[in-house]
Amino acid sequence: EDKVVQSPLSLVVHEGDTVTLNCSYEVTNFRSLLWYKQEKKAPTFLFMLTSSGIEKKSGRLSSILDKKELSSILNITATQTGDSAIYLCAVSGSQGNLIFGKGTKLSVKP
Amino acid sequence: NAGVTQTPKFQVLKTGQSMTLQCAQDMNHNSMYWYRQDPGMGLRLIYYSASEGTTDKGEVPNGYNVSRLNKREFSLRLESAAPSQTSVYFCASRNPTGTGGVFSSYEQYFGPGTRLTVT
Repeated sequence: EDKVVQSPLSLVVHEGDTVTLNCSYEVTNFRSLLWYKQEKKAPTFLFMLTSSGIEKKSGRLSSILDKKELSSILNITATQTGDSAIYLCAVSGSQGNLIFGKGTKLSVKP
Repeated sequence: NAGVTQTPKFQVLKTGQSMTLQCAQDMNHNSMYWYRQDPGMGLRLIYYSASEGTTDKGEVPNGYNVSRLNKREFSLRLESAAPSQTSVYFCASRNPTGTGGVFSSYEQYFGPGTRLTVT
């Protein structure tokens, strides 16, 4: 059975801290891994990773995929209160749909 | 360009009532999806439509039906609502590009969600 596991499930940090969120997966016919940020409503797309070892960056956020370890990390440096959200990891499955992890709830305190 | 739209935004039903959640996208995407999101459970796929005219079950299809009305619209129907269907429902669409065909995964675009409460 395809599955995606994220850790930790929740995390509380202070502004300026650096955080690392983890995602591991067991999926048949892996195509890509995606990270989303969800605040109050719908998830918004952050990154899509298909190749191992290539880092994607967007401002203070970065992500990298390790196909050998079947995992990915999402790093956020110099965190701000606006980074508080649920971060979702999703992996493409054998049916072409996305399989989501349960998410990591990040709370950034001022 | 509105992206993915969903109606209604909120709904309260009594057990046994029926309703249809509407979803439309104006991005000319081939594939559309319905998810539910429950606290601590993440997003779970209910049904999806790889292309106009096709629908398939996802992870949690029981108690739901779908209709891919045309390329733009994908509706989700609850025939006899149950309290276990209290959830936030998200519709999403995706545009497979490149040579990977329908089983290639690229970013999905999500609607704003429908918060459904069944009492």
